[in-house]
Amino acid sequence: DSGVTQTPKHLITATGQRVTLRCSPRSGDLSVYWYQQSLDQGLQFLIQYYNGEERAKGNILERFSAQQFPDLHSELNLSSLELGDSALYFCASSVSVADTGELFFGEGSRLTVL
Amino acid sequence: DAKTTQPPSMDCAEGRAANLPCNHSTISGNEYVYWYRQIHSQGPQYIIHGLKNNETNEMASLIITEDRKSSTLILPHATLRDTAVYYCIVRLSGYSTLTFGKGTMLLVSP
Repeated sequence: DSGVTQTPKHLITATGQRVTLRCSPRSGDLSVYWYQQSLDQGLQFLIQYYNGEERAKGNILERFSAQQFPDLHSELNLSSLELGDSALYFCASSVSVADTGELFFGEGSRLTVL
Repeated sequence: DAKTTQPPSMDCAEGRAANLPCNHSTISGNEYVYWYRQIHSQGPQYIIHGLKNNETNEMASLIITEDRKSSTLILPHATLRDTAVYYCIVRLSGYSTLTFGKGTMLLVSP
């Protein structure tokens, strides 16, 4: 158990819909990262937050947005969903921005878009 | 961050040492080598990292060549539970995020 909690574990929805994925980082961790893993793309970095502020952006689509709240939990919002958005979405956390590179990953949220 | 090259798959017998190679010929002086693994559809798990010296922890050993252009992750006594995709990542310590490649699928067989 990494200490990172993601909900929901599984989600099935239809094209055009909007979903929200939630992540609670390890106690004391200020940085949160979101990754997407699809069969053909592998693990892709989406976005990082540190103590409520966006710190780094990767291959995140404009239809996707994220935020980190004062209690440090984070949400990833996916809208106008397409079939290709079906993937595993992982959240990870670490203590700080200038960290050692040891990220703790949650078990992921599996999104299926029909 | 420098690119890494890993074999797509490897096999290992249970109880034997698994030696997973990684090439990172363009690594710069202040970039670290990290290893993560991902057991089927679970979240990636940190294993070990190093800069120049060899490193060992309870999970594995990391051997980095003197010129730092390649490294080897060693699982000394592989078990069936070590079957996973192993990712070698080169990262500038401090602020950059982890970029995962395709990794090596290690299959440990009885």
